[in-house]
Amino acid sequence: AQTIHQWPVAEIKAVGSPLSLGCTIKGKSSPNLYWYWQATGGTLQQLFYSITVGQVESVVQLNLSASRPKDDQFILSTEKLLLSHSGFYLCAWAGDSGNTLYFGEGSRLIVV
Amino acid sequence: AQSVTQPDARVTVSEGASLQLRCKYSYSATPYLFWYVQYPRQGLQLLLKYYSGDPVVQGVNSFEAEFSKSNSSFHLQKASVHWSDSAVYFCALSMTNSAGNKLTFGIGTRVLVRP
Repeated sequence: AQTIHQWPVAEIKAVGSPLSLGCTIKGKSSPNLYWYWQATGGTLQQLFYSITVGQVESVVQLNLSASRPKDDQFILSTEKLLLSHSGFYLCAWAGDSGNTLYFGEGSRLIVV
Repeated sequence: AQSVTQPDARVTVSEGASLQLRCKYSYSATPYLFWYVQYPRQGLQLLLKYYSGDPVVQGVNSFEAEFSKSNSSFHLQKASVHWSDSAVYFCALSMTNSAGNKLTFGIGTRVLVRP
């Protein structure tokens, strides 16, 4: 069975500081991977997706970047956090021939 | 452009009562449709999905949803709710042949089940 793990579970960071969030999926080779962002109490917005190692497509510009250094790993980062980056970040992988997304447990970020 | 509308931001029901959550979508073709549930401080869990075939789909935990092309709807139902069903429910749409498989979510419906 496939498992998806996100880290860290939660972070409190200062404005202007760097950020790195990670996502690892096990049990699925060459998965399509996705980053979503959820404002507190809000809906979800797709940020990035990656179909293969080294390739990342940006969907929404939020002063964030993403990388796919390994087949099973997807990283979300920024060098300078903004207050607007606060929220819940969810990583997902695509199953069922790419038609269904399965989400991780998320990373909660508070920027102060 | 595609969109998903969940008209009810909050729904409160008593334990044992039935529940219906409404979802309307806008898309020119037949989309992939999903219902996800989010428990407090957790990620999203897939309840059920629909693309074709029987318009009534069964999901986990006794949830079911009915697709209506004529009404552009995909309403979620449960015959008898339990207090543990308190959560936020999201309806989502995915376009066919979508590069990057972009899911468009509704704003979510927060369900509170009273004991």
